[in-house]
Amino acid sequence: DQQVKQNSPSLSVQEGRISILNCDYTNSMFDYFLWYKKYPAEGPTFLISISSIKDKNEDGRFTVFLNKSAKHLSLHIVPSQPGDSAVYFCAASGDNNNDMRFGAGTRLTVKP
Amino acid sequence: ETGVTQTPRHLVMGMTNKKSLKCEQHLGHNAMYWYKQSAKKPLELMFVYNFKEQTENNSVPSRFSPECPNSSHLFLHLHTLQPEDSALYLCASSQAGGGNSPLHFGNGTRLTVT
Repeated sequence: DQQVKQNSPSLSVQEGRISILNCDYTNSMFDYFLWYKKYPAEGPTFLISISSIKDKNEDGRFTVFLNKSAKHLSLHIVPSQPGDSAVYFCAASGDNNNDMRFGAGTRLTVKP
Repeated sequence: ETGVTQTPRHLVMGMTNKKSLKCEQHLGHNAMYWYKQSAKKPLELMFVYNFKEQTENNSVPSRFSPECPNSSHLFLHLHTLQPEDSALYLCASSQAGGGNSPLHFGNGTRLTVT
């Protein structure tokens, strides 16, 4: 039962443009949504999160948008940089992080 | 050392071998996790320990046996594995409780079962 889905396995954008990574979920009980970034040969690292009571959270070049009615969230990176090239995982959890669910990841390539 | 350290980075084992994966965290966290990442699949939660007590066992086969002797160390004992168990095994730690507490991952152990 895949409760968090990232339907785009890969995305390619030009340096300086916007990258939009999408994520859908099925469990309306999720309270928090997180994005992680993973470089090859490294573990995922936390990037940004959003609570279910908000619809937007911004941190520098990274903004996460949440649409609860559509059970959809997205990560916007603007402007995109070649160093942003990585696999991005969407994750969701309830009020307890003991059961954090992850998507399959989207590989972002930012071309110079 | 800082962060979450996993050893070994790579492991090749036969189906009759017994081996162990080790994880150590230096972040003062009180929860530790094992996740499995297979190619093109979501990270799959295997085990969770809060304050050294196992709180989650996500229907993992008994050929995987976790051990958490203290809040800083976590082991995954492996025996009679199958080729389909080949994957990247990731250890993580966090502060227990809040759903907004991010997990901090190690760099993983790439396991190949022959």
